[in-house]
Formats: sequence, structure tokens, C-alpha cells
Amino acid sequence: AQTVTQSQPEMSVQEAETVTLSCTYDTSESDYYLFWYKQPPSRQMILVIRQEAYKQQNATENRFSVNFQKAAKSFSLKISDSQLGDAAMYFCAYRGSYIIQGAQKLVFGQGTRLTINP
Amino acid sequence: NAGVTQTPKFRVLKTGQSMTLLCAQDMNHEYMYWYRQDPGMGLRLIHYSVGEGTTAKGEVPDGYNVSRLKKQNFLLGLESAAPSQTSVYFCASSYRTGGTYEQYFGPGTRLTVT
Repeated sequence: AQTVTQSQPEMSVQEAETVTLSCTYDTSESDYYLFWYKQPPSRQMILVIRQEAYKQQNATENRFSVNFQKAAKSFSLKISDSQLGDAAMYFCAYRGSYIIQGAQKLVFGQGTRLTINP
Repeated sequence: NAGVTQTPKFRVLKTGQSMTLLCAQDMNHEYMYWYRQDPGMGLRLIHYSVGEGTTAKGEVPDGYNVSRLKKQNFLLGLESAAPSQTSVYFCASSYRTGGTYEQYFGPGTRLTVT
């Protein structure tokens, strides 16, 4: 079974600085998808960024980018120019490409709580 | 466009009571999911559905039942609530095909069982 591990329960960063959140995963599949979700205090889960494993280029969405290391099974999230609104719980998630029992299920990490210091 | 909605947002139950959580989506998604979120454990899949009239077990299905009588609705039932079911429950939905199609989440239901 696939597992996702986020080894940093909490992180903090000064406003306007850069922070990197770590994520590692374990899988025997060669094709899969990785995601970072943001959960602010409102509890709403918001997709931040996604990465297809077959793509070598790292995904980027404005101030958010990933460092995808397939051989190392690592998928870190970098937030540049941190803003107060970035404060949230961040979850890394994995989804395999094979359809098992008719669906493609997400496997989540434990989450990292990010605090932004003004 | 409401997306994914959940009813209720908060609920307190006593041990042994029953309740049903309702999830509704207006995006014509085929797939729907129920997760629970506990501190330090991320989200774990309880049950899911790949279409109207079908359901399947996820990672932590014990103590829960589900039904998908209409494509837009996915119900999660607790027949006899236990304190271990105190959690935040999330519903999600997605398109049928694969790729990077994302799961869209509802706002969550905070359930406390005393």
C-alpha cells in the first residue's frame, strides 16, 4: 500500500521569506500523481498544485512550486514571498494511475501546520 | 455554483445515537468520497462511490454505512455512534476519468460523540 509522510508537523516563516515543506512517499507504481492541498482555519481543502510523475519538469503555480525527485520519492513544496494568507495546514497527497475497484483514491500525509510571522 | 456542500456543519451526539451526514454536489461528478480527519493523521478514506447505486469500502469503513441513491448525493450514516468517531468529516467529488482531475472538497462536518 502507498504511504505518504510529512515529517514536519509545524513550520514557521517570516512574511516575505521563502519556506519549503517536505513530503516523501512510498509506492511501487511508476505512474502516479502528487498533490499539495491547503487547509486554512475555515477547514476548506484547497488544491495548491499538482504534479504528474511522468513529467520531469517541476510544477509551478505563481508563488508555489514543487521539487519533485522521483528516484528519491520526494515531493517538496516551496512557497516564495510568504504572505499572511498562506498560514494554513498543508497536506501532501498521492494518487496512483491505476483504477482500483473503480476509483482512484487519494492517500494523504499527516499535514504540516505553517505559521507566517509578520 | 455551490460545488460540494455538507449538512450539518456541526453536531454533538451521545454514544449509541445515530445520525446521517448529507453530501451534495452540483458538478455532475461520477465519483464521491467520504473522509475523516483526525489530528496528526491527515485525511483517511471511509467509503467511496463510483456512480449512482454503487458504494465501496475505503481505508477505515468500520462503524459507517453509505448510500448513493442519487448521483448528486452521498450519505454517510453512523448507526451507533462511539467516541472514537469524534472527528471532522469531509465529502469530496471528482470526474470519472483519471489524469490530474482533482477532488473537490466540501467544507467539512465537525462531529463530537460524548
